[in-house]
Amino acid sequence: EVQLVQSAAEVKKPGESLKISCQGSGYTFTNYWIAWVRQMPGKGLDWMGIIYADDSYTTYSPSFQDQVTISADKSISTAYLQWTSLKASDTAMYFCARLSGSMADFEYWGQGTLVTVSS
Amino acid sequence: IVLTQSPGTLSLSPGERGTLSCRASQSVSSSYLAWYQQKPGQAPRLLIYGASSRATGIADRFSGGGSGTDFTLTINRLEPEDFAVYYCQHYDSSFSWTFGQGTKVEIK
Repeated sequence: EVQLVQSAAEVKKPGESLKISCQGSGYTFTNYWIAWVRQMPGKGLDWMGIIYADDSYTTYSPSFQDQVTISADKSISTAYLQWTSLKASDTAMYFCARLSGSMADFEYWGQGTLVTVSS
Repeated sequence: IVLTQSPGTLSLSPGERGTLSCRASQSVSSSYLAWYQQKPGQAPRLLIYGASSRATGIADRFSGGGSGTDFTLTINRLEPEDFAVYYCQHYDSSFSWTFGQGTKVEIK
């Protein structure tokens, strides 16, 4: 069974750094792309970026380029999303998702990590 | 490409049929059009890929169709667990994915 398990909710202050994780199991982690998707409170879904776990090739949505960093450690089947300086506007639920083989859709999803940024 | 979903909210009774629309700002490949269901407090779930193929484990009361710029998700005989928000999504085959703004299906 394919599973993506994300790290627990975080509460941070503006300006702090943060790294959240997404661990895959039940499939060959290095054969698929992992995406990160943001959902702000009460809003829709925004694709942020993707990473190919085998070689860590990464590409970002223009809206998120230079705002976040996506990385992966294939030895532990884990992808990461990190910020160096959080803003209140980063408050959102963040989902990781495994792309399908065709890359056209988000086939499996993690349970989400709620990030709250407040002074 | 911008995806526009309509209506914003659809009020239906259990047992009724719901038809949700997703319109693309320009013609897109049906192979790269998907639909998702999201219930409160849960992650989205893939329902339909390639515009009309049901994902694994999805009930056959869900069906997708359309081509070009106009796509639909039809839910036959609405069950209580089908009341949720539905999103369409497109991949442009060049490392860019777009979601529609969502349609909420609520109990009438």
